[in-house]
Amino acid sequence: EIVMTQFPATLSVSPGERATLSCRASQSVSSNLAWYQQKPGQAPRLLIYGTSTRATGIPARFSGSGSGTEFTLTISSLQSEDSAVYYCQQYNNWPLYTFGQGTKLEIK
Amino acid sequence: QVQLMESGGGLVKPGGSLRLSCVVSGFTFSDYYMSWIRQAPGKGLEWVSYISGSGNTIYYADSVKGRFTISRDNAKNSLYLQMNSLRAEDTAVYYCARAPGSGWVDYWGQGTLVTVSS
Repeated sequence: EIVMTQFPATLSVSPGERATLSCRASQSVSSNLAWYQQKPGQAPRLLIYGTSTRATGIPARFSGSGSGTEFTLTISSLQSEDSAVYYCQQYNNWPLYTFGQGTKLEIK
Repeated sequence: QVQLMESGGGLVKPGGSLRLSCVVSGFTFSDYYMSWIRQAPGKGLEWVSYISGSGNTIYYADSVKGRFTISRDNAKNSLYLQMNSLRAEDTAVYYCARAPGSGWVDYWGQGTLVTVSS
């Protein structure tokens, strides 16, 4: 099983600033990495797949990068509605696709 | 638009059974893998099971293998999860999801809560 580790566990950033969330895989997942956003009481929402491709309707302030075992989700110019838990997910290791434990992003 | 609607959650005693259903609309159901993904209270996401469009390929997480059964009825645009021998650790919100044909989850239902407690 590929273990996905996200850090930090909690991140507090001021509005208008940039947030950088990290995700590390226990072995290479190539570029087969997705990111999701989950707000309280809601289902997760797909933000990014293929490491860097934004899903339909996702604002350009969300960007993804990385490859192999190290990945980053960057949210530039933070807005209050970006407060959420963010999960990474690998889909390189069929059939067992795994999620990270999440990073909670708080807006100061 | 794509919609996924779960039902069937509730309170059940340890050792009991429950059947979850998910009705979908807005896409050709039989063309897609479908999944059940769960989230224990205050915890992260766990992929429970998925099934191919034809039903020929099925995956179960080790944590539910032998106890849960996934199935689908393409004529009814419906996905099911039969859960037997339920344990306290199965307590979670269960999401129906369109995945993982390409690997990621592009649509999620709103979730249905399953509580296993005496």
